[in-house]
Amino acid sequence: GAVVSQHPSRVICKSGTSVKIECRSLDFQATTMFWYRQFPKKSLMLMATSNEGSKATYEQGVEKDKFLINHASLTLSTLTVTSAHPEDSSFYICSARETGTSPLHFGNGTRLTVT
Amino acid sequence: DQQVKQNSPSLSVQEGRISILNCDYTNSMFDYFLWYKKYPAEGPTFLISISSIKDKNEDGRFTVFLNKSAKHLSLHIVPSQPGDSAVYFCAASAVNRDDKIIFGKGTRLHILP
Repeated sequence: GAVVSQHPSRVICKSGTSVKIECRSLDFQATTMFWYRQFPKKSLMLMATSNEGSKATYEQGVEKDKFLINHASLTLSTLTVTSAHPEDSSFYICSARETGTSPLHFGNGTRLTVT
Repeated sequence: DQQVKQNSPSLSVQEGRISILNCDYTNSMFDYFLWYKKYPAEGPTFLISISSIKDKNEDGRFTVFLNKSAKHLSLHIVPSQPGDSAVYFCAASAVNRDDKIIFGKGTRLHILP
C-alpha cells in the first residue's frame, strides 16, 4: 500500500531555533499534501494544504510566517517551524493522497519538544 | 464549530464481542467518510471508507454504516481483538468542494481480555 515517510520522528530544540520536518510519499506522487497538528486529547487539526509548485493554503489561525511549508516536488513536502517556542511543542503529522477521492495516508508523525 | 463529533471519548469491549464506534456530522455537504486507527506516537492508519451513495461498506472484520438522514455513521468491529485497542478517528470530507478532511476527536477503544 501507499507509504508516507516522515522525518524526524522526534526532535528537541531550544526556544528561538528553527526545525524542519520532512514528509515524503515513497511509492506514489502526491500533488497535494496536508499538515496536521495534534494536541493532547484533541483531534487532528489541519494546519495547511501543501500544493506542489505553489504556495501552501493555511487554515484560519495558523501563522504562515511561523510554519513555513514548501512542496518542492511531487514526493516531498517540508514544514519548518521558525523561531520555535515551548507552546509549539506538539505532535505534527503529514499526509498525502494519490487522487482526490483516495484515502489519506499518514506519516508516523514528529514529536516536537521546544525547551 | 465541530463538524465531526465523536461523543464517546473511550469505550471498553470484551475480546470477541462487537465494538461499535459512533460518529455524527453536521455538514450536509460531506459526501465521503473515513475511519482511521491510531496507536500512540504513530500516524493514523486508514481503515475503511464509505461514499455517501452507499449505506454500508464491509472489509473483513470492519463494517461502516452510514445514515445520511441522521448524519450518523458507525464503525463495527467483530469479533474484537486485543490488537484493536487504539484510538479511532472518524473523518469526513466534501470531495467535490475541497480537499479538506475534517476529523473527530477520536474514541479510545480498549479491548478487555
